[in-house]
Amino acid sequence: QKEVEQNSGPLSVPEGAIASLNCTYSDRVSQSFFWYRQYSGKSPELIMSIYSNGDKEDGRFTAQLNKASQYVSLLIRDSQPSDSATYLCAVRASGGSYIPTFGRGTSLIVHP
Amino acid sequence: GAGVSQSPSNKVTEKGKDVELRCDPISGHTALYWYRQSLGQGLEFLIYFQGNSAPDKSGLPSDRFSAERTGGSVSTLTIQRTQQEDSAVYLCASSLASGNGNTIYFGEGSWLTVV
Repeated sequence: QKEVEQNSGPLSVPEGAIASLNCTYSDRVSQSFFWYRQYSGKSPELIMSIYSNGDKEDGRFTAQLNKASQYVSLLIRDSQPSDSATYLCAVRASGGSYIPTFGRGTSLIVHP
Repeated sequence: GAGVSQSPSNKVTEKGKDVELRCDPISGHTALYWYRQSLGQGLEFLIYFQGNSAPDKSGLPSDRFSAERTGGSVSTLTIQRTQQEDSAVYLCASSLASGNGNTIYFGEGSWLTVV
C-alpha cells in the first residue's frame, strides 16, 4: 500500500514569514513529486513538480526532495494571506502504474 | 478545450437513483483520472484510463461504480443506486501522457449530494 503522509495542520504563520510544509512517502520507487494548492471549495492546482534530489525554486516557492529519506517539502517565502489554503503532496512511481497518490493535505493559514 | 471540463458542476440526487458525471479532458491528453474527495478528506483514486489500454479500475469502491471513456476522449463516471456515503466532489484530471514528466491538471469537479 503506497502511502503519502502529511500533517493535517493547521499550520499558522504570520504574514511575511516562511511556511514549511512537509510530506513523507512510503514507496521507494517513487520518481515524481508534486505540490498542489487547493482553496476551499475549489479543485487542486499545481504549484510545483520535482523529480531530482535537491531544491527547485519558482518565485516564492521552493520544493526540496530527499529520496534517501523519502521526504519532500515545500517552502513558501514571504507568506501572504492569499497563500492560505490546503497544500496537497502527490507522489508518482516510475514504470507500471503512473497513478499519483495524494496525501490528505496540510491546511495553511497566513494571518496578517 | 482550454482546461478539463466537468459536468454537472452540482448534482443533488435521491438515494437509490443513478447518476452520470461527465469529464472532457484537455485536447490531446491521453491519460485521464477520476478521483473522489469527501468533505475534509484527501483525494481517493477511483479509475485511470491511458489511451486504448484497459483501464485501471483498482480504486472503484464497489460494483455500483463504473466508468467508460469513448474515443479516447470524453469519460463518464456512473454511480448506480446512489447511497448517502457517495456524497463527495468527483474530480477528473488529465495529462498529456502517463510518463513521470507529465503534469496532471484537474477539472473543477462535480459536487454530488445524495439525499
